[in-house]
Order: sequence, then structure tokens, then C-alpha cells
Amino acid sequence: DTAVSQTPKYLVTQMGNDKSIKCEQNLGHDTMYWYKQDSKKFLKIMFSYNNKELIINETVPNRFSPKSPDKAHLNLHINSLELGDSAVYFCASSQDLAGLETQYFGPGTRLLVL
Amino acid sequence: QKEVEQNSGPLSVPEGAIASLNCTYSDRGSQSFFWYRQYSGKSPELIMFIYSNGDKEDGRFTAQLNKASQYVSLLIRDSQPSDSATYLCAVNGAGGYNKLIFGAGTRLAVHP
Repeated sequence: DTAVSQTPKYLVTQMGNDKSIKCEQNLGHDTMYWYKQDSKKFLKIMFSYNNKELIINETVPNRFSPKSPDKAHLNLHINSLELGDSAVYFCASSQDLAGLETQYFGPGTRLLVL
Repeated sequence: QKEVEQNSGPLSVPEGAIASLNCTYSDRGSQSFFWYRQYSGKSPELIMFIYSNGDKEDGRFTAQLNKASQYVSLLIRDSQPSDSATYLCAVNGAGGYNKLIFGAGTRLAVHP
């Protein structure tokens, strides 16, 4: 059983389009995250949610809008895609806000903006 | 100054040797330190975490923490070709809520 799953695995799209990435975890965790890993492999947190409540919103353009319908799901919608949005986006979850040692990453969504 | 710094490598070691990976961090308030392994095209996986000064051992892996020097390291004994990957150092960030701040990673290559 996959602990943290993401769809789609690959996403190729044109500049200016809008796209969504979905994430689901079946670990019973309270906290979920979105990370962006750029071409230089630098992994940076974008958002975190705890029990559907937004906790961390790093300096991310407002074209990125996360949504958590319940604590097992965290989706990411991106408007007006730009070339610089090309990256791997990882979803992760942890037991709770303090449980960083329980953080588990999903397989990633590879986004390419042409 | 970057918050978490690592040598990008590649660090090349022969099979059976000890690989030593180093990381420095800038925030003296950081309390939790993590090492992740990331194979090419895969997601990061946690291999060690350490909270207290000193050494913590788990199998072939030893994490070492020196808060006074703001330095954390990972030793891999008896390195195997399957250890070839990028190793990411992460620390908990300052502020009200825990978040992980990652270094850029060190690429390790273990050659037979």
C-alpha cells in the first residue's frame, strides 16, 4: 500500500496553462507539505497544512494555491504556468507539526513547462 | 550565507571505505537535524536524525552533531555501490512552526 501518493507523475504543459497536482496519504498523519525541488536538486518547502489548516506559506507566488479538503489530501493548483515553475514537486506528510522525524515523501510530480 | 551548506561533491570513495559527509548550518536555534538519501529520480528517504550533541549510530550509519560548531556529519562505514546517491542534510527552521530547511545535497559515488 502506497503511503503517500501523487498524481500525475509527469506533467508537460505550455506556458500560461493552469494545472493541478493531487496528493493523498494513508498514514493517518495530521500534517502535509508541498516541496519544490529545482534542477539543481535544491529542495525547498512551499506550504504545510495541519488538519486542513494552512500553517506555513513560504514566499511562493500567489499563482500557487494549495487546498486541503481533508487531512488525508493536499492538492496544489498552479495558475498561469511559467518556465521557472519547471521542477519536481514533492508532497510529504508527518505525524504532526512536531514530528519532523516521521516525515515521509511521496514519489514526486515532474512538471515541465514549455 | 546559505542556511544549510553542504559540499556538492561528487564525493568518490572505494567500496568498503568510510564515506564522510558534512553539513553546516547558520541558525543557532535549530534543534533537530536530519539526513536524507535521494537516489536519482526518486524521493528523499530519511536515514538518520539526531537531536543531541555527540554520535548516534544505526547500522553502518553514524550521525555526529556539534551544536557549538553548528556542524553535523554523516559517516557511512563499509560503503557499498548501493550507497551511491545524493545525501541531503536538513535542519528544523526557526520560527513558530517546525519546518525542514535542506542543504543542496552531496552526491556520493561508491566505486567497486
